[in-house]
Amino acid sequence: EVQLVESGGGLVQPGRSLRLSCAASGIRFGDHGMHWVRQAPGKGLEWVSGINYNSVYIAYADSVKGRFTVSRDNAKNALYLQMSDLRSEDTALYYCVKDMCYHNPTDFCALDVWGQGTTVTVSS
Amino acid sequence: DIVMTQSPLSLSVIPGEPASISCRSSQSLLHSNGNNYVDWYLQKPGQSPQLLIYLGSYRASGVPDRFSGSGSGTDFTLKISRVEAEDVGVYYCMQVLQTPPLTFGGGTKVEIK
Repeated sequence: EVQLVESGGGLVQPGRSLRLSCAASGIRFGDHGMHWVRQAPGKGLEWVSGINYNSVYIAYADSVKGRFTVSRDNAKNALYLQMSDLRSEDTALYYCVKDMCYHNPTDFCALDVWGQGTTVTVSS
Repeated sequence: DIVMTQSPLSLSVIPGEPASISCRSSQSLLHSNGNNYVDWYLQKPGQSPQLLIYLGSYRASGVPDRFSGSGSGTDFTLKISRVEAEDVGVYYCMQVLQTPPLTFGGGTKVEIK
């Protein structure tokens, strides 16, 4: 069964840090790019960050650039999002998402597998 | 950044009737390879989004054939030939031609009348 399971969310004070993790199973994790997409309460979808299959190509939304760092460990089938200097506007449900393309060096494709999400709440 | 604009914001449909959602991009999404780099997603109530259509018109695995995507350049349409109760939720278009960032439309909420 194809599965992406996020963890690491929680309540955190503004300015603090948090690390999200995503465990993948049932997919050839090391062959595909991965993404983080978030959804603020009652709002639409916002792409946060993407990383290609071998970590050579990494990209961020302007809203998180310089504060968030995405990484992956293909040996562990794991994706991470290190979030620092958190702000109230970062409060959202964070989805781990698989990119549809195979071994794509510099582009991103459709997002074909989504996790259930982990909730991050930034509040004092 | 490419801006994706969806219409309408919401749609109320009688079961068995067709439905259509529009998505307009601020720049052309037509690649030199002939594909349009726009995808459609459905987020059912309380669930994670799911991929319906990729590259403008290709149905994702397991997606019923009552869903179809069309359009080229800057204007795209998702059509449901006969709406069923299970099709309720919020539909999003997304572009992957010029990244970063990947950008989503604001969403169209479909409900059953």
